[in-house]
Amino acid sequence: EDQVTQSPEALRLQEGESSSLNCSYTVSGLRGLFWYRQDPGKGPEFLFTLYSAGEEKEKERLKATLTKKESFLHITAPKPEDSATYLCAVQANGNKLVFGAGTILRVKS
Amino acid sequence: DAGVIQSPRHEVTEMGQEVTLRCKPISGHNSLFWYRQTMMRGLELLIYFNNNVPIDDSGMPEDRFSAKMPNASFSTLKIQPSEPRDSAVYFCASRSGQGGQPQHFGDGTRLSIL
Repeated sequence: EDQVTQSPEALRLQEGESSSLNCSYTVSGLRGLFWYRQDPGKGPEFLFTLYSAGEEKEKERLKATLTKKESFLHITAPKPEDSATYLCAVQANGNKLVFGAGTILRVKS
Repeated sequence: DAGVIQSPRHEVTEMGQEVTLRCKPISGHNSLFWYRQTMMRGLELLIYFNNNVPIDDSGMPEDRFSAKMPNASFSTLKIQPSEPRDSAVYFCASRSGQGGQPQHFGDGTRLSIL
């Protein structure tokens, strides 16, 4: 059974304090690993797709990396507006996305 | 560009009533997904359609739940009769192309069954 585990459950950072979120997964036949950002009262907003080990994607202060067993979302010099829940999801064969429980990030100024 | 549009944004109704949630996918997207999000279980896929045809409804919790997609620009998720344990946020997402492409989500319907 495909599984996704995210850690930590919650993370509190000071503005400018860089850190990383982890997404560990077990899946047979990975077709893609997805990172989403979700703000309160909103739907998940797509950030990145990673397809193979060694791949990296960047967007502003965010950088996502992928190995055969896990993905990291690195946040460099975060700002309060980066506060959100970050969700990781994997897609194996078929169209089903399996989501992790998410990491709640709070960045204080 | 218009994203995925869901209505209503909030629904409060009494147990036993019929509830209909609506979704308009992004134009040109050929796959549509219905999810349910709760604190206990996170985001769970209920059903998805490809080219308006239901492909996998294994996530639909009970026969009280049904979904339709009469055309490429509209889908409904119906609960009849509703129960308090159906209270959750229901999301619709759409995607273009095949697997490996990202799904794009609407802002959901917050459903409360009293």
